[in-house]
Amino acid sequence: GESVGLHLPTLSVQEGDNSIINCAYSNSASDYFIWYKQESGKGPQFIIDIRSNMDKRQGQRVTVLLNKTVKHLSLQIAATQPGDSAVYFCAESPGDYKYIFGTGTRLKVLA
Amino acid sequence: DAGVIQSPRHEVTEMGQEVTLRCKPISGHNSLFWYRQTMMRGLELLIYFNNNVPIDDSGMPEDRFSAKMPNASFSTLKIQPSEPRDSAVYFCASRGMGEAFFGQGTRLTVV
Repeated sequence: GESVGLHLPTLSVQEGDNSIINCAYSNSASDYFIWYKQESGKGPQFIIDIRSNMDKRQGQRVTVLLNKTVKHLSLQIAATQPGDSAVYFCAESPGDYKYIFGTGTRLKVLA
Repeated sequence: DAGVIQSPRHEVTEMGQEVTLRCKPISGHNSLFWYRQTMMRGLELLIYFNNNVPIDDSGMPEDRFSAKMPNASFSTLKIQPSEPRDSAVYFCASRGMGEAFFGQGTRLTVV
């Protein structure tokens, strides 16, 4: 399940550092946002979500920040590990069943 | 639960042949999605079922594509006749009250 395009943005970080992956969404009516991780040959895997009535949500080593004013979403990964290497997608949901996926960011963790 | 199960994992077929992709959603999930992933277009929603009924098929590329969900535990996506431009990874996802869970995908190659 390769998910990358030739021009996929890439973020390279040293193992142990924090990673920040950014995403701009398009629909001001979107009220639910999700981050997915996709490893090579696999389907997207849910990481964390946030609703529009919140601006921050924390999980295990991950934090999602939502700025509705500028329609921006970010995923922060603390103490990045080699297993975090993957393509990360944000998705927005404009109040219905649809998820509109971004193009993805490839995260490379350097040993 | 074993998660969303798709078959086959890989399919290579000749142009003009019929291709059928299969999906078993997570038990209890009432929403099912078929997505297509390509390098050029990323993740695209093809069709959405709710309670086995097709709700939105606006993403289906053309009449060569059809999808069915005869019961809550099975869905198919059929392409007839297949063309080289249909080559992609096809994902099935299911959703209950929370986030969508994706299968491992079927990599389709049409030669």
